[in-house]
Amino acid sequence: GAVVSQHPSWVICKSGTSVKIECRSLDFQATTMFWYRQFPKQSLMLMATSNEGSKATYEQGVEKDKFLINHASLTLSTLTVTSAHPEDSSFYICSARDNLQGLHTDTQYFGPGTRLTVL
Amino acid sequence: QQQVKQSPQSLIVQKGGISIINCAYENTAFDYFPWYQQFPGKGPALLIAIRPDVSEKKEGRFTISFNKSAKQFSLHIMDSQPGDSATYFCAASPWNRDDKIIFGKGTRLHILP
Repeated sequence: GAVVSQHPSWVICKSGTSVKIECRSLDFQATTMFWYRQFPKQSLMLMATSNEGSKATYEQGVEKDKFLINHASLTLSTLTVTSAHPEDSSFYICSARDNLQGLHTDTQYFGPGTRLTVL
Repeated sequence: QQQVKQSPQSLIVQKGGISIINCAYENTAFDYFPWYQQFPGKGPALLIAIRPDVSEKKEGRFTISFNKSAKQFSLHIMDSQPGDSATYFCAASPWNRDDKIIFGKGTRLHILP
């Protein structure tokens, strides 16, 4: 089956530093990747849609200058949390939509998530 | 109209019993309905999915029942096992394949040994 990886799986950083999270589709190409944030015991909150070769589309209320997204290739998207603060501590999950030769499928495959703790 | 309403919020079932989670939607443009299973500290994993052209889909112990006229769909877990204890999310996606998936709020399922 399709596999999505994330790196790192967890990270602890000091307030004010930036943290980069990578999301890779390992055995398929993904023109579209999604970034979610999940608080404890809550549902997934979509932050942005990452499109290969173009700018990401951010959901309402998500600061694009705070959460920088780059989708440089068909298998890699990165999320950079800039000038992180304790309130940015959360579980960040990416997903990728399997895209075969331009034929869209519906299935989104999720990565294992990255636990970010900002001290 | 974009919401997917999921119930119950939490569910406790005896081992061997049937776990039932329900979801309802309003947007008739939705035409893909997946269920995801998430264990603590892990990302969601696709469990089973259905399209509106069928009323039921079964994969092992997991069955989705779909009622298009009522705009409702449900997940049934037969012979529930302690290993099924997890959070389950229903979701819906519209026909436009570039559009995002809408998630329900989740159901925390606990199977008693």
